[in-house]
Amino acid sequence: AQSVTQLGSHVSVSEGALVLLRCNYSSSVPPYLFWYVQYPNQGLQLLLKYTSAATLVKGINGFEAEFKKSETSFHLTKPSAHMRDAAEYFCAVTQNYGGSQGNLIFGKGTKLSVKP
Amino acid sequence: ETGVTQSPTHLIKTRGQQVTLRCSSQSGHNTVSWYQQALGQGPQFIFQYYREEENGRGNFPPRFSGLQFPNYSSELNVNALELDDSALYLCASSLATGTDTQYFGPGTRLTVL
Repeated sequence: AQSVTQLGSHVSVSEGALVLLRCNYSSSVPPYLFWYVQYPNQGLQLLLKYTSAATLVKGINGFEAEFKKSETSFHLTKPSAHMRDAAEYFCAVTQNYGGSQGNLIFGKGTKLSVKP
Repeated sequence: ETGVTQSPTHLIKTRGQQVTLRCSSQSGHNTVSWYQQALGQGPQFIFQYYREEENGRGNFPPRFSGLQFPNYSSELNVNALELDDSALYLCASSLATGTDTQYFGPGTRLTVL
């Protein structure tokens, strides 16, 4: 069975500092991995998606994530945090094989706070 | 291009009642998935509809049911509401099933009293 673990339910950084949000996955088949962002009282917006084409994935708003199979990790980073990055971030996995319905399995989320 | 829309935005019901939530998929998308997001949790998969047929279901009881219409819009129906059904219900549409990217709507906040 697939699962996602996000380490740290709450991460706080100063504006301009590095953002690192951790995600580890468990999957018996090659996974597709996603990071979504959720602003207060809103739905989920896709930040980036790993589809096995390249291990370093660049997304929107300056975020990127690196797929490391040996560590079963897909951590999200941004070199310099901005106040507008304050939101909740969700890592998700889906199964990459023919016939998969592609339902997403989400982690519990990490709330990012950015201090001025 | 119109994104995924959901209605209503907020809803308050009492225990035992029934509720219908609606979702309009993004233009050109034939697959709709529904998720339940309880407070402080990640979304959980309820079910998926592909070309008007249910195409998979998560660990939710039968009182959660759905429909997809010829224009690919969708409804989520919940019967015999329980307090634990209070959550944000998210609809996502995609071009097809499988690993196609799912695009989410803003959600419907359901409160059961």
